[in-house]
Amino acid sequence: EAGVAQSPRYKIIEKRQSVAFWCNPISGHATLYWYQQILGQGPKLLIQFQNNGVVDDSQLPKDRFSAERLKGVDSTLKIQPAKLEDSAVYLCASSLDGGQGYEQYFGPGTRLTVT
Amino acid sequence: QQQVKQSPQSLIVQKGGISIINCAYENTAFDYFPWYQQFPGKGPALLIAIRPDVSEKKEGRFTISFNKSAKQFSLHIMDSQPGDSATYFCAATLFGNEKLTFGTGTRLTIIP
Repeated sequence: EAGVAQSPRYKIIEKRQSVAFWCNPISGHATLYWYQQILGQGPKLLIQFQNNGVVDDSQLPKDRFSAERLKGVDSTLKIQPAKLEDSAVYLCASSLDGGQGYEQYFGPGTRLTVT
Repeated sequence: QQQVKQSPQSLIVQKGGISIINCAYENTAFDYFPWYQQFPGKGPALLIAIRPDVSEKKEGRFTISFNKSAKQFSLHIMDSQPGDSATYFCAATLFGNEKLTFGTGTRLTIIP
């Protein structure tokens, strides 16, 4: 079974530029998550989708971050404009169902450096 | 209220020894406590998890000990091996809410 795919793996941009990350979850997984992992910290949930709909985006900085999940499969996370403090690894995860007890499978992440 | 505190930040253990990582939580409503293992360049992967209705769960060399009254739980790795060298995260969540609150992580290094 193929895992969660993410691209690009690495991205370096200057502050105020925009950037987009792509995630392809495991086939059949209804729930998709985007996490931000700052160096030395645990992952922090940014947004959770159940199929096409947003379940939780309470920690998404909506003035600069946006995310969409078209057709309930792939998802993109965008930052516009980027700030220095956005430097982090952005992890995508998926699970079969959003209910507790269903394991979240993480992708390898996209390491973003904002200079 | 939603924090999960994890210690130590880093840990060095000799091969064959016992590695112990501790976590403490504040929200008494948390009732699912997973541990994740992360290798460099990889995403976290679920290692083992526990519900508060039991005080201990063991899977192979990995054991979670849970103390509900103290609001603490810990991961024990028996007979630690170099392949166990990774960063370990504890996490907690509310029943019916799959939003995970992660600890800050422990970088474990197993030396020969």
